[in-house]
Formats: sequence, C-alpha cells, structure tokens
Amino acid sequence: EDQVTQSPEALRLQEGESSSLNCSYTVSGLRGLFWYRQDPGKGPEFLFTLYSAGEEKEKERLKATLTKKESFLHITAPKPEDSATYLCAVQLPYKLSFGAGTTVTVRA
Amino acid sequence: DVKVTQSSRYLVKRTGEKVFLECVQDMDHENMFWYRQDPGLGLRLIYFSYDVKMKEKGDIPEGYSVSREKKERFSLILESASTNQTSMYLCASSSPGGESRAGEQFFGPGTRLTVL
Repeated sequence: EDQVTQSPEALRLQEGESSSLNCSYTVSGLRGLFWYRQDPGKGPEFLFTLYSAGEEKEKERLKATLTKKESFLHITAPKPEDSATYLCAVQLPYKLSFGAGTTVTVRA
Repeated sequence: DVKVTQSSRYLVKRTGEKVFLECVQDMDHENMFWYRQDPGLGLRLIYFSYDVKMKEKGDIPEGYSVSREKKERFSLILESASTNQTSMYLCASSSPGGESRAGEQFFGPGTRLTVL
C-alpha cells in the first residue's frame, strides 16, 4: 500500500539553528513528490516538486532533496517566519497522498 | 493572483442536518479536490473531479457527496451531518488535466466545521 511518513512530528528550533525534516515513502513508480507549507488556519501553499532521485530544489532558506526512498526538507538558518507545518505528498494517479506533517517552531 | 475561495471559514451545524460546503476557483482549472484535515492524520481525500459533471471517490467518501455543475465550482455535501465529521475541510484545484499535474494544487483557506 502506498504510504507517506513524515518525521519528526514536531521540531522546535532556535533562530539560526539549521535542521532537516524527513519524508519517507513507499510508492511503486514515483511520479512526483511535493512539499507544501501550511500556516495555522490557512490552506497549504505549494513549495516544491521533485521527480527523480538526486533532484534538488531551493527557495530562500529551504532546500528539498530526493532519494529513491525519502525526501528531506532542509531549513538553513531559520527565522521565526519559517514557523509552519510542512507537508509532504506523493503523486498517485489523479491524486496526492499526504503525510501527517511536521510542525516547525522557530524561536527568536 | 490565483484564488480558491470557500463559502465559509467557520460553520456550526447540528447532527442530522444537511450541510453544503462550496468552493470556487478562478484559474480555469480542470481538476478540483475536497480534503478533510484532522490532527495526526494529515489531509485525506474525500472526492475529486477532473471535469464538469465528473466525480471520483477518494479515500474516505462515506457520508459525503459532491456536485460539479460548472468548471469553477465544486460543492461538498454532507447528507446527514454526524459528530465524527467535525473537521477542517479544504478545497483545492489544479491544472492542466491529466494525472501528471494533480500535484501542484492550489488550496482554499479551509472551512472549520463543527457538528454538535
């Protein structure tokens, strides 16, 4: 069965303290892996799409990487405004399968 | 700026009531989706549609139905609301059509539904 698991569930960081979020997946024939950011009380906002192992995407302090079994979202020198829940999803025919998310809190 | 709007941000209903949640997108997207989001469970797909008057069951369709009479509008219906349907409901859209582009979805702000 296709599955997406994110870890850790929650991450508390000091401002400037870099860290990584993990998304592991079991999908036969990955069509795409997606990262979203969700702020409290809002809908998810698209960040990145990764399609093949070795691919990397960057946006400001965020960098997403992909291997054959997992993806990482690296947060470099985070700021309080990076506090959010980060969701990972894999592409299935006509739909996405989401992980439960990692809630990141960055303290000033 | 692309936009997905949902009819209500907060809704309180009684058990047994019929509930309508509406979603409108202004991006001319073919695909539209309804999810519910619960703590620890992530987003779970209820129904989706890849064309007007077309609908497909997602992972948890029981207790729900949908309607898509116009391309820009996708409605979620709770035929007889129950307390276990208390949740955050999120609508999303994507384009172009076909399975390869279902991932870059644009989400609405969500409707927090409470069923008493």
